[in-house]
Amino acid sequence: GAGVSQSPSNKVTEKGKDVELRCDPISGHTALYWYRQSLGQGLEFLIYFQGNSAPDKSGLPSDRFSAERTGGSVSTLTIQRTQQEDSAVYLCASKLSQGTDQPQHFGDGTRLSIL
Amino acid sequence: AQSVTQLGSHVSVSEGALVLLRCNYSSSVPPYLFWYVQYPNQGLQLLLKYTTGATLVKGINGFEAEFKKSETSFHLTKPSAHMSDAAEYFCAVSRGSSASKIIFGSGTRLSIRP
Repeated sequence: GAGVSQSPSNKVTEKGKDVELRCDPISGHTALYWYRQSLGQGLEFLIYFQGNSAPDKSGLPSDRFSAERTGGSVSTLTIQRTQQEDSAVYLCASKLSQGTDQPQHFGDGTRLSIL
Repeated sequence: AQSVTQLGSHVSVSEGALVLLRCNYSSSVPPYLFWYVQYPNQGLQLLLKYTTGATLVKGINGFEAEFKKSETSFHLTKPSAHMSDAAEYFCAVSRGSSASKIIFGSGTRLSIRP
């Protein structure tokens, strides 16, 4: 079956531009996460969606970052007025439910480069 | 609060040698523990997980890990390294509650020498 799909796989943009990153989770997965992975770093939690509950936005680094999840499926992470420090790989993961014993399934990420 | 510490950002072993990647955690409640592997330009892939029951967990690609509560450790091992094992490995912990997030360690890059 299809895994988590992220698009685009690579994005190069100029400083100050807005970007949108897309995540298609595995069908039926109610939980969805966004992470940021900077060069040589671990995973930095950004935001978490669970069903129709209010998202956990506690990891978003600034108000330039936002995310939405429409219809409980596809999610879009938006970065406004991009800065060079936003350059990183953005990973999306989905999980069958909010149960903490469930593993996350990751997409291959979007590599974002800010010039 | 919970955290995960991976000792050694880079480990290098010879092909055929034992692989040992260290992970220690702190958690105020019984943890669920995971190891993920990340190959270049890919997302993370689950290697194995511990939830309850047997403390020695076997995963894919010949890897296994043992949950040791007394040592708050969940080290990853493989008896004989293969060139294809070269990758980044992440240990992660989630709380045994309805908490939303899992916490990842900073990762260990495994290199295999021919």
